[in-house]
Amino acid sequence: DTGVSQDPRHKITKRGQNVTFRCDPISEHNRLYWYRQTLGQGPEFLTYFQNEAQLEKSRLLSDRFSAERPKGSFSTLEIQRTEQGDSAMYLCASSLVVGGEQYFGPGTRLTVT
Amino acid sequence: QKEVEQNSGPLSVPEGAIASLNCTYSDRGSQSFFWYRQYSGKSPELIMSIYSNGDKEDGRFTAQLNKASQYVSLLIRDSQPSDSATYLCFEGAQKLVFGQGTRLTINP
Repeated sequence: DTGVSQDPRHKITKRGQNVTFRCDPISEHNRLYWYRQTLGQGPEFLTYFQNEAQLEKSRLLSDRFSAERPKGSFSTLEIQRTEQGDSAMYLCASSLVVGGEQYFGPGTRLTVT
Repeated sequence: QKEVEQNSGPLSVPEGAIASLNCTYSDRGSQSFFWYRQYSGKSPELIMSIYSNGDKEDGRFTAQLNKASQYVSLLIRDSQPSDSATYLCFEGAQKLVFGQGTRLTINP
């Protein structure tokens, strides 16, 4: 069990650029979640997948954000036309069952300059 | 009212003492609760899960859930300096909501 992995670990981009993050969940986990965390706050839910189906999206997920999990394995989160307010840690987690224990990856820290 | 609320602290506890962390939630239908530990600059690490009323013990950690009063707590016995971190309460079944976290400092 290699755990949840995320790539890249750090990303610095200029305002207006597009960025894409990748998450590889624990292999047998069919649920995959994306969260965003800013300094001093708990993580905020963005979206989750069961296999390849995106089942729920937070209202935090503006139309500049899109997430995919095309084959029910890894997932990508894309942010278009980044803004300084997008600067945060983006966390991915996976779980085996609904309502079950979620295991987090190391996160991708995004800085928008 | 926030859906999951925690006192942000900081909570300072002497080494060897019991640290008590509390969390309240607003949705009576919430079923599954989790405690995560998060060191500065790192991602959350799962410590305990609790699904039913009562206590659940794992080593130095005890999670307590009281659905009638809508609170969840985490007790850390024999606190160690390495326990110094932010502790996050999480409703993980229906709302997928974290509390803002309680910063705990264990003083040697």
